[in-house]
Amino acid sequence: GAGVSQSPSNKVTEKGKDVELRCDPISGHTALYWYRQSLGQGLEFLIYFQGNSAPDKSGLPSDRFSAERTGGSVSTLTIQRTQQEDSAVYLCASSLDAGMNTEAFFGQGTRLTVV
Amino acid sequence: QQPVQSPQAVILREGEDAVINCSSSKALYSVHWYRQKHGEAPVFLMILLKGGEQKGHEKISASFNEKKQQSSLYLTASQLSYSGTYFCGTGPDSNYQLIWGAGTKLIIKP
Repeated sequence: GAGVSQSPSNKVTEKGKDVELRCDPISGHTALYWYRQSLGQGLEFLIYFQGNSAPDKSGLPSDRFSAERTGGSVSTLTIQRTQQEDSAVYLCASSLDAGMNTEAFFGQGTRLTVV
Repeated sequence: QQPVQSPQAVILREGEDAVINCSSSKALYSVHWYRQKHGEAPVFLMILLKGGEQKGHEKISASFNEKKQQSSLYLTASQLSYSGTYFCGTGPDSNYQLIWGAGTKLIIKP
């Protein structure tokens, strides 16, 4: 597609329920990143993929968070047993590769509200 | 260690200049600058690399001081469209990732 697409754009869920957030990166981009942004805060790194592999899962806040990427394209971030502190905007970004000299393109984000 | 951005916020009149700083406690290889408007995705502005290479938009200028482990973004003759929150990302960290600052909020008034 023309840009990084994320769905849903907004999600309200009850505490304890599971949610899935989807990211469709720019075609041909091998690197894909997930970030979390709390209100008025910076970008908190969660996980990145190079192809379908996730070399770095160190940013995932707890074992309730998991992510996968299939076909080197679409990625899903899953949060199990959601808690109120999970409420945030979840941003996905993709880039041609994972190098330090490569710009990233961000999606519009999914605003997650846990009530 | 998260890079420190300063100032946290700045209000300007259209046409005025601004400098946004990003300081790291670690040696830097690269600094990335992005701007995020309220409710929108962050948008790429510039990458600065150790050794002097830069990639970015022609209308944006920035510096990278390796010795001071610091980068500065220069916004001259500011326009209303420059409003937003500016983030710097520095890296790589031990996991070869960027670490992002908390952001500098820039408000441009007519």
